[in-house]
Amino acid sequence: AQSVTQLGSHVSVSEGALVLLRCNYSSSVPPYLFWYVQYPNQGLQLLLKYTSAATLVKGINGFEAEFKKSETSFHLTKPSAHMSDAAEYFCAVTLSTGRRALTFGSGTRLQVQP
Amino acid sequence: NAGVMQNPRHLVRRRGQEARLRCSPMKGHSHVYWYRQLPEEGLKFMVYLQKENIIDESGMPKERFSAEFPKEGPSILRIQQVVRGDSAAYFCASSPQDKNTEAFFGQGTRLTVV
Repeated sequence: AQSVTQLGSHVSVSEGALVLLRCNYSSSVPPYLFWYVQYPNQGLQLLLKYTSAATLVKGINGFEAEFKKSETSFHLTKPSAHMSDAAEYFCAVTLSTGRRALTFGSGTRLQVQP
Repeated sequence: NAGVMQNPRHLVRRRGQEARLRCSPMKGHSHVYWYRQLPEEGLKFMVYLQKENIIDESGMPKERFSAEFPKEGPSILRIQQVVRGDSAAYFCASSPQDKNTEAFFGQGTRLTVV
């Protein structure tokens, strides 16, 4: 079985500040991990994914995440927030073997203040 | 190459009616996943299908919900005798073969039961 916990349902940062969105997972086998972004009334867009290659993963729009097995974490970061980053962010996990569906966290809403 | 197409984008049904949600996967994708997103929550897995087969329906409610993915045509998620609690956004994702690391999401169907 697998699960995802996103700490902080709402995060607010100033434009230009560091963005840090937290994600911790649990998984019985090596996981694949994902970050998705959802804009209002839109579908999910994949930001980045970890599939057991490099532990530091770079994604679109300047985002990156680091897989830390010892901490069971996959936090999402961006050095400098932009107004257009305001959205809902979801962390998700799936197993590298067996069940294929994604298990999502409850989401973090990012607000960017001017 | 068109993305995952879901229709309708918005659907309003009265209590007791049937709702039929359609999902056309990306070209070349033979695996489809359905997820439900309740207001202010993350996505919850419902069902995973291949062409003409249900692979995993562990997330489907036991009654009133069914899904199919015929040899020809889109995948259909069917909800019979809808109730207010069925109001949600329903998302479809597709992937090629069994590569769940390459799943792409549609824009979703927002079902409102009145």
